[in-house]
Amino acid sequence: EAGVAQSPRYKIIEKRQSVAFWCNPISGHATLYWYQQILGQGPKLLIQFQNNGVVDDSQLPKDRFSAERLKGVDSTLKIQPAKLEDSAVYLCASSQPPRGRNTEAFFGQGTRLTVV
Amino acid sequence: AQSVTQLGSHVSVSEGALVLLRCNYSSSVPPYLFWYVQYPNQGLQLLLKYTTGATLVKGINGFEAEFKKSETSFHLTKPSAHMSDAAEYFCAVSDNNNDMRFGAGTRLTVKP
Repeated sequence: EAGVAQSPRYKIIEKRQSVAFWCNPISGHATLYWYQQILGQGPKLLIQFQNNGVVDDSQLPKDRFSAERLKGVDSTLKIQPAKLEDSAVYLCASSQPPRGRNTEAFFGQGTRLTVV
Repeated sequence: AQSVTQLGSHVSVSEGALVLLRCNYSSSVPPYLFWYVQYPNQGLQLLLKYTTGATLVKGINGFEAEFKKSETSFHLTKPSAHMSDAAEYFCAVSDNNNDMRFGAGTRLTVKP
């Protein structure tokens, strides 16, 4: 079974530029997450999708970050304009909880963003 | 919302010694608890999870964790550390909506 795919693996941009990340979850997984992991910290949830609907985006800086999951499969996360403090690894994860239960999330390798 | 506190950002043990990584959680509903491991430049890999049932959970690579509701804890242990265990370890808690929140992480160093 293929895992969660993310691209690109690395990205360097200048501040005030825009950038987009792409994620393809495990086939059949309804739940998709985007996390931001700043160096030395734990992953912080940015947004959670259930199919193509948003479940939780309370920690997404909506003035500059946006995310979409058209057709409930692939997802893109965009930052516009980027700031120096956005330098981090952006992790995508997916899960498919059985009805009425919970299960673990499966993670991609992440996109390392450096804003200079 | 639920949250996780990992006590100790850095733990160092000798090879063959006991590994103990601490995790305390806060949740308004019965929690689902997870331990993930992250090796350099890689994504997170699940070590073990607690959902319901037996409170002592065994995972991969000889790790185990015990859910203690009275102490709101889910500490990770391994009887004998190996050099290959050196990594970053994250405790996570999830609620009924699969809203998964992570702790700040503990970096484990294993000395020869």
